[in-house]
This record gives sequence, C-alpha cells and structure tokens, in this order.
Amino acid sequence: QKEVEQDPGPLSVPEGAIVSLNCTYSNSAFQYFMWYRQYSRKGPELLMYTYSSGNKEDGRFTAQVDKSSKYISLFIRDSQPSDSATYLCAMRPYSGGGADGLTFGKGTHLIIQP
Amino acid sequence: DADVTQTPRNRITKTGKRIMLECSQTKGHDRMYWYRQDPGLGLQLIYYSFDVKDINKGEISDGYSVSRQAQAKFSLSLESAIPNQTALYFCATSPKGQAFGDTQYFGPGTRLTVL
Repeated sequence: QKEVEQDPGPLSVPEGAIVSLNCTYSNSAFQYFMWYRQYSRKGPELLMYTYSSGNKEDGRFTAQVDKSSKYISLFIRDSQPSDSATYLCAMRPYSGGGADGLTFGKGTHLIIQP
Repeated sequence: DADVTQTPRNRITKTGKRIMLECSQTKGHDRMYWYRQDPGLGLQLIYYSFDVKDINKGEISDGYSVSRQAQAKFSLSLESAIPNQTALYFCATSPKGQAFGDTQYFGPGTRLTVL
C-alpha cells in the first residue's frame, strides 16, 4: 500500500462548478500538508499549505485536513478553465532532521469545461 | 527570467551513455533537490542537498549521482543510462530556515528518453 493515495482522474467538470480533490494517507506521522498545481509541461507550484487538522482558505481555494480519518481535500469554488491542471497533494512529518522529505500523491488531472 | 532553470529541456540518448542534467537557480536558496516524475507514479526524490557540502540520497538514488558545484548549481548524472530511467526530471529549491520540504520551487523539467 502506498503511503499517499490520490485518484489520477481525469476529473472533468463544467465551468463554475465546485471541485473537490482528495488524498488519503497511511502514515500518522504526517503533520504538514500541501497542494501543488502543475500545468502541462511545467513544474509543480505550491498552491496551499496547512499544518495539522482544520481548514485554510485562500480566495477560491480551501484546503481541509482531517487527521483522524487521514484524509485531505482541496476545494475549488467557481472553477475556471484556467484551473485545468494536475493537482498533487504532498505531505511530510514534523521536521526532526534527517531525510523526512515530502511524499507526493500521484496527482489528479482536472479539466474544467468552458 | 526563470528563477530555476534546467538544461537541457529535452534529451534523447541511448542505453549505456553517460548523461548530465543541470540545474541553476537565482533564488539564493541553500537547499536543492532532484525528482523524477513518471506517469502513474508521481514525484520521487532522487537526491537532495542542504548546502554545498551536504548531499543526501533520496528514495530512488540507485543509478544516479549528483554534484553541487556551487550554491546555485546542482547537477544530476546518469553514469550508464538505461531505458527505465526514461522520465521527466525536476530540480527544485527551498530556502534555509524553513522546515525541510516546505515551499519548494520547481524548475520547468527535463524530459529524458533512453532508447
């Protein structure tokens, strides 16, 4: 079983819809959770960053973490065609030194239909 | 100008050849990383470097080596390329002082094909 599971999609929704992207994980030591957005032929860029459980909102984007269920979500409101990209979740334990790097999900390919 | 650049952007090579991928950054970050991305497998860490004298293996370092020539330059080498090293390779940087792995800034990637 992979440490981080993410449905690769593609997920296709009409413009204006609310999008829900999700990841599940098995390592209870993960404390920091991130969402990266990757456009075609580009490197990933950090979109959202959260620590531990709870919600964080930034414009049309909301990141949600439920540590008890080992489940994280990214919600996109009023989705736009420019949101079409691959979204990767990433997470890591609390940094105590050593090789405790990021563990990435495989990414979900999102398509927003005009 | 891009803050993290990678050369070449595309490369086709043959099995057994030695190849070097180069990464340069103008962000002034101490930490640099090399990842590979494969369809269906996501991003995997190959090597990372906290500073010029501190280089560490990631989860899939076999078959790869790295060199940190300066704070701004981090190269990845395949000593004898094999077809299953065909992938998209990304360099990334992050600033010192942030907890390891926070806010990594990625380059545009190098698409490598080994025939």
